[in-house]
Amino acid sequence: NAGVMQNPRHLVRRRGQEARLRCSPMKGHSHVYWYRQLPEEGLKFMVYLQKENIIDESGMPKERFSAEFPKEGPSILRIQQVVRGDSAAYFCASSPPRALGYTFGSGTRLTVV
Amino acid sequence: AQSVTQLGSHVSVSEGALVLLRCNYSSSVPPYLFWYVQYPNQGLQLLLKYTTGATLVKGINGFEAEFKKSETSFHLTKPSAHMSDAAEYFCAVSETDSWGKLQFGAGTQVVVTP
Repeated sequence: NAGVMQNPRHLVRRRGQEARLRCSPMKGHSHVYWYRQLPEEGLKFMVYLQKENIIDESGMPKERFSAEFPKEGPSILRIQQVVRGDSAAYFCASSPPRALGYTFGSGTRLTVV
Repeated sequence: AQSVTQLGSHVSVSEGALVLLRCNYSSSVPPYLFWYVQYPNQGLQLLLKYTTGATLVKGINGFEAEFKKSETSFHLTKPSAHMSDAAEYFCAVSETDSWGKLQFGAGTQVVVTP
């Protein structure tokens, strides 16, 4: 049973480009969560999604960031017009409905140059 | 509103010695509490969690944690450190009426010396 799969593992983007981060949840998991980890900091919640539905996006920056979890395919975190401050590790996690404690993926490390 | 404070960003322990990582939280409702471990360039792995019931929780790799409501604490311990315990440890809290959203502490980096 594969774990939470994130790709790419490393992503380099120039300022102003778009970054698309993908997350495939564990089999049987219908809930996906995205977190951001800045250097020397803990993880910060960004968004919580079910299939075709955003449950909680209280941690998402108001501009340039969006997330989706379509009926088919992986969840996507999209960052438009990236800036240096977006450089971070982005972690995805998944769980069954109303489960306590998730399974995390290995993360995507975004570097904006 | 909830918050998590981990005392000590770096902890050094000798192999075989006690590991003690401190975590205090604030929460307006009964919380769920978690400890995660992160090895370099990897995702977070759940060590243990407290939901309800017994306040002493046992997890993987010999770790345990005790929920003390009066002290709003959830400290993580392991009686005897092993070299493989070197990693970063995160305490997290989830309020019972806020499914899905975890508030993480800033983390404690553990170094194990021979």
